Order: sequence, then C-alpha cells, then structure tokens
Amino acid sequence: NAGVTQTPKFQVLKTGQSMTLQCAQDMNHEYMSWYRQDPGMGLRLIHYSVGAGITDQGEVPNGYNVSRSTTEDFPLRLLSAAPSQTSVYFCAAETEGTEAFFGQGTRLTVV
Amino acid sequence: AQKVTQAQTEISVVEKEDVTLDCVYETRDTTYYLFWYKQPPSGELVFLIRRNSFDEQNEISGRYSWNFQKSTSSFNFTITASQVVDSAVYFCALNKWGSFKTIFGAGTRLFVKA
Repeated sequence: NAGVTQTPKFQVLKTGQSMTLQCAQDMNHEYMSWYRQDPGMGLRLIHYSVGAGITDQGEVPNGYNVSRSTTEDFPLRLLSAAPSQTSVYFCAAETEGTEAFFGQGTRLTVV
Repeated sequence: AQKVTQAQTEISVVEKEDVTLDCVYETRDTTYYLFWYKQPPSGELVFLIRRNSFDEQNEISGRYSWNFQKSTSSFNFTITASQVVDSAVYFCALNKWGSFKTIFGAGTRLFVKA
C-alpha cells in the first residue's frame, strides 16, 4: 500500500536550472496538493488540484507550475530554480472526510 | 481569511512530564476541520487527529488528548507522561469544509529529555 510517492528524495540544482518533482498516489483521491516547508513557517500551499485537468494556485505559487493529466499524478515543475526555492517539498492527497496523506518529502537545495 | 497560530516555537520537558501544545485559529467559516500532525526527526508527516467544527467533545487517545473550544477558537493538544519518542514538531492545521486548502500553523518543536 504505497499511498503517496514522491521522487526524488534529495536534489541539488544550480540557479537557473529547471526540474520536475514527481508525485503519484494510488488511493484514487481527487484532491492533490504541493506544499513547501521552511523553518519557522510551517507548510505553505504552492498549488493544488481538485481533479484531473483542474489546478489552482495556493499561497506561494510563483516560480512553480503544475499539471494534472491523471488522477494519480501531480508533478511540480520549477521553471528556473532560485536559491529562495531551497526547501522541503511535500505532496499530499486527500478526499472528503479524510485527512491529508503526505509523501515522504523532497529536500531541494538550489546553489 | 484563515489563520492558525502556534505561539510556542519550542518546548522542552523532562520525560514523564505532561505538556500542552497550544493552537489558536481564525476563520469566518461556520463549518471547518481542525487537524494535528506530527513530524518526527525522520521528516515524514503523521496524521494525529481531525475534528469538525460541530464536534466540541474532547478526545483522548492513549497518552494524547485534545481540547477543542470554539468560544476561544482553540484546539489544544496535551501529551500525558511524555516520552522521548514524542520529540517532534507538531503542526496544527485548519481547512474549510468542502475546501481542501489547508492552512498550517508554524509548528511547535517539542524536546523530551530522558
């Protein structure tokens, strides 16, 4: 029972590089989201999706893109990495009446 | 606008002490959910409890208990007889019923010393 799987677990990027953080869930939950966690700031919502083909911005969307072509996958793209995007990223899946199920997190460092 | 405040940044206790983690929230919605999550040193997020706004009953689960008071907009978490394994960051969170946009507090880091 995998739940929510994020890859990679660790990544180092150079400023200006692009990359995609992968997130997949096998629970058939309609809602998926991306958060970033920074010291002293809790988790902040980047983007979310209420179903395949539907995405919307969260609290801190700048510098990130998302797409939701299937229920299972919700990748997060960094278009041009900046040091301010150094953070731990969490993907989550949930449905009405349940808590959020989180992936293991991706620790990203931009140098 | 919704907001969750965890005023305690860090708490340090000695094993077997009781400890309460405070959570105060702001929302204009009448129907909402409150949550507590635990993040141990390994980094994963572990769900502890979900409470809806219509259920003000306190809940106890083993050494954990939660006190929900709408009158003071608080959802406090108490660990009785703390153990070293309770050392973690604890997050309180809020979302509106029907919306999955969850707002998290900044977290409280709990250190339990042997």
